[in-house]
Amino acid sequence: AQTVTQSQPEMSVQEAETVTLSCTYDTSESNYYLFWYKQPPSRQMILVIRQEAYKQQNATENRFSVNFQKAAKSFSLKISDSQLGDTAMYFCAFMKHANFGNEKLTFGTGTRLTIIP
Amino acid sequence: NAGVMQNPRHLVRRRGQEARLRCSPMKGHSHVYWYRQLPEEGLKFMVYLQKENIIDESGMPKERFSAEFPKEGPSILRIQQVVRGDSAAYFCASSPLDRGERNEQFFGPGTRLTVL
Repeated sequence: AQTVTQSQPEMSVQEAETVTLSCTYDTSESNYYLFWYKQPPSRQMILVIRQEAYKQQNATENRFSVNFQKAAKSFSLKISDSQLGDTAMYFCAFMKHANFGNEKLTFGTGTRLTIIP
Repeated sequence: NAGVMQNPRHLVRRRGQEARLRCSPMKGHSHVYWYRQLPEEGLKFMVYLQKENIIDESGMPKERFSAEFPKEGPSILRIQQVVRGDSAAYFCASSPLDRGERNEQFFGPGTRLTVL
């Protein structure tokens, strides 16, 4: 079974600063996917960024980037030039590769991020 | 292209009643997943369905909970004889048939169930 750990229950940062959210996971799988989801006060789950384990290059999406360390089983999210709209819960999630069909997501407990004006 | 739709958005039930939560996946998606989010916690997987088939129900409680995804119509998560501990937000997600690179799950807005 896979586990995902987010050790920072809450974080806050000034607007325009950079913040890094940490995530570690445990798995015996060699091929898998990692995701960061954002859940604003509306509770809608929004995909922020994804990483395929077989890719060494770290994924980036505009102001969002990850630091994927496969050997250490670490998958941190960096938010640059933070904006008030980034205030939300952030969940790290794991999905193992499936040869047939698809697979479920395993989520961490989340980090509540507050951007301070 | 409409996203994943869930209804109702809010549902209040008294202990012992039944709760029915509905999920319409995105157009062209044939995989549906249900997750439960207890207050101040992350989402926990419940069940994974394809049309007319349950693929993985390893996260479903053994009693009172059932799910279906019929050939026609939405997926239904049914909770019989609800108890206060069932109060949570229930999220549905869908993904397309082709696994490929884009195996993203698209989430609905959730149904918040409150048991009095």
